[in-house]
Amino acid sequence: AQSVTQLGSHVSVSEGALVLLRCNYSSSVPPYLFWYVQYPNQGLQLLLKYTTGATLVKGINGFEAEFKKSETSFHLTKPSAHMSDAAEYFCAVSDPVGGTSYGKLTFGQGTILTVHP
Amino acid sequence: DVKVTQSSRYLVKRTGEKVFLECVQDMDHENMFWYRQDPGLGLRLIYFSYDVKMKEKGDIPEGYSVSREKKERFSLILESASTNQTSMYLCASRQDVGNQPQHFGDGTRLSIL
Repeated sequence: AQSVTQLGSHVSVSEGALVLLRCNYSSSVPPYLFWYVQYPNQGLQLLLKYTTGATLVKGINGFEAEFKKSETSFHLTKPSAHMSDAAEYFCAVSDPVGGTSYGKLTFGQGTILTVHP
Repeated sequence: DVKVTQSSRYLVKRTGEKVFLECVQDMDHENMFWYRQDPGLGLRLIYFSYDVKMKEKGDIPEGYSVSREKKERFSLILESASTNQTSMYLCASRQDVGNQPQHFGDGTRLSIL
């Protein structure tokens, strides 16, 4: 069975500082990996995804993530935090589509990012 | 842009009531999903549908059922609502091709009194 662990339920940074949100996964097959963001009172919005190919993936709003197979990690980073980045972030893993997978996602517990002025 | 619309943003019901949550997507997606979101637990899959009239249980199906009579609409049903079903419910849809991501609605915050 797949699982996702996000280290740190709350992360606080200053505006302009580096953002690092950690995600580790377990999967019996090479996974597809996703980061989603949820702003207050909204649904989830896709930030970026890794499926195959380049292990450094760039997403929207200046975020990027690196797939490290040896560490089973997919950490999310942004060089300089902005106040508008304050939100909850979810890492998710999916089996490669095929058979009965249908792109089902297993989510981590979420990390709430706070950005201080 | 994909649009996934959930019929209610906020809903208050009473214990024992039968509750319907509706979700409509406008992109002709084959796959649709219902999740519940609780603090500290992330999103957990209740049911999903890979095509019209087809459905499969997710990780926490107990106390819920679903209906997918038309491709664009996926309904979640709480047969007899209980207070432990108070939660945020999120619907998602996905094109059943390769590595396409899921697209989410804005959620329904359901309170069972």
